[in-house]
Amino acid sequence: EAGVTQSPTHLIKTRGQQATLRCSPISGHTSVYWYQQALGLGLQFLLWYDEGEERNRGNFPPRFSGRQFPNYSSELNVNALELEDSALYLCASSPFYGYTFGSGTRLTVV
Amino acid sequence: TQLLEQSPQFLSIQEGENLTVYCNSSSVFSSLQWYRQEPGEGPVLLVTVVTGGEVKKLKRLTFQFGDARKDSSLHITAAQPGDTGLYLCAGAGSGGTSYGKLTFGQGTILTVHP
Repeated sequence: EAGVTQSPTHLIKTRGQQATLRCSPISGHTSVYWYQQALGLGLQFLLWYDEGEERNRGNFPPRFSGRQFPNYSSELNVNALELEDSALYLCASSPFYGYTFGSGTRLTVV
Repeated sequence: TQLLEQSPQFLSIQEGENLTVYCNSSSVFSSLQWYRQEPGEGPVLLVTVVTGGEVKKLKRLTFQFGDARKDSSLHITAAQPGDTGLYLCAGAGSGGTSYGKLTFGQGTILTVHP
């Protein structure tokens, strides 16, 4: 069984640009969770999608957005990139009681 | 806002020593999960504890969930260099704006020297 896959592995963008990150959950899992892991800040909850709908959102500005497709894969979009958006962005899918994370996308904003 | 205080932040010990990592909160969680993360990888789930007072053992690792479901601990017996990594606790929200999200502690960077 394939795990959670994320692409790209690394992404370098200039301040003010937009970034698009992609995630495919484990086959059969309908939920996708996005987390930001910035240096020194731990993992912060960004977004939860289930069955194509946004179910919950963390304390992030509206320029962080996303969507979930009919095949349950998901995109995270970050507009108007700022230097402090540099972080590891992790996607996870979950049955109950435990996430399976992907390896993440390392976003660097210069 | 739910917060999880994890301590210690750094732990450097010799092979064979025992150690305990703590996670504490003023909030009640529906479950508490422990993860281990290697550099360049996503966190990997070690265990989930659900019931207050629950104790789970995974080889040399013992996990405990507090009676009030507000705190948890991870105890490693006879640590080995292969235990080196970042350990994260995470609490699952039980409702309202916390539903479906995990609140993570800041993590404990464990280094076990041979």
